[in-house]
Amino acid sequence: EPEVTQTPSHQVTQMGQEVILRCVPISNHLYFYWYRQILGQKVEFLVSFYNNEISEKSEIFDDQFSVERPDGSNFTLKIRSTKLEDSAMYFCASRVTGGNEKLFFGSGTQLSVL
Amino acid sequence: GESVGLHLPTLSVQEGDNSIINCAYSNSASDYFIWYKQESGKGPQFIIDIRSNMDKRQGQRVTVLLNKTVKHLSLQIAATQPGDSAVYFCAENISQGGKLIFGQGTELSVKP
Repeated sequence: EPEVTQTPSHQVTQMGQEVILRCVPISNHLYFYWYRQILGQKVEFLVSFYNNEISEKSEIFDDQFSVERPDGSNFTLKIRSTKLEDSAMYFCASRVTGGNEKLFFGSGTQLSVL
Repeated sequence: GESVGLHLPTLSVQEGDNSIINCAYSNSASDYFIWYKQESGKGPQFIIDIRSNMDKRQGQRVTVLLNKTVKHLSLQIAATQPGDSAVYFCAENISQGGKLIFGQGTELSVKP
């Protein structure tokens, strides 16, 4: 079965540094998402992206966050100046359409901000 | 506000028994629901979904029941196996863009 792939699997950074998390969604999917999960908590929506623009974003997704689809295959999440509370597992997800259809998740990038 | 919640944080069952994991949701406009399984260090793995025009859907060893009257969702796993041990999340679709709201998760532990 096709998979959403994410790199790196682990990222350690210093507070205040910029990080870019990378994702390759499933090739024929058109809707892309970032979610995050703080250890022991539920998965939280960050942002959805379609047709090269943000469709919806949560309160968590402030000005420090941005997303980009730089080419036909990659989808990135950038955090400009990381904070301690950004430490979490970040999941990329994709689906063919934006409607009632299953969402495929990647294995995640564990971000640790020191 | 909108929320999806689970009744029990942990569930321990004997191998071979049936498991039932429950979920309550509060948004009556939600029209699509998914159950995900998450193993340690991995991303959510799709198990089964159900649309709001249905009240039951069956997969391989799993059944999802939807009761819109009381806004309740359940996942039934038949003949639970050690490989079923994981955290199970329900999620509801609440927007046209496909934003999912996840519940807190139930940790299922299967005893051999």
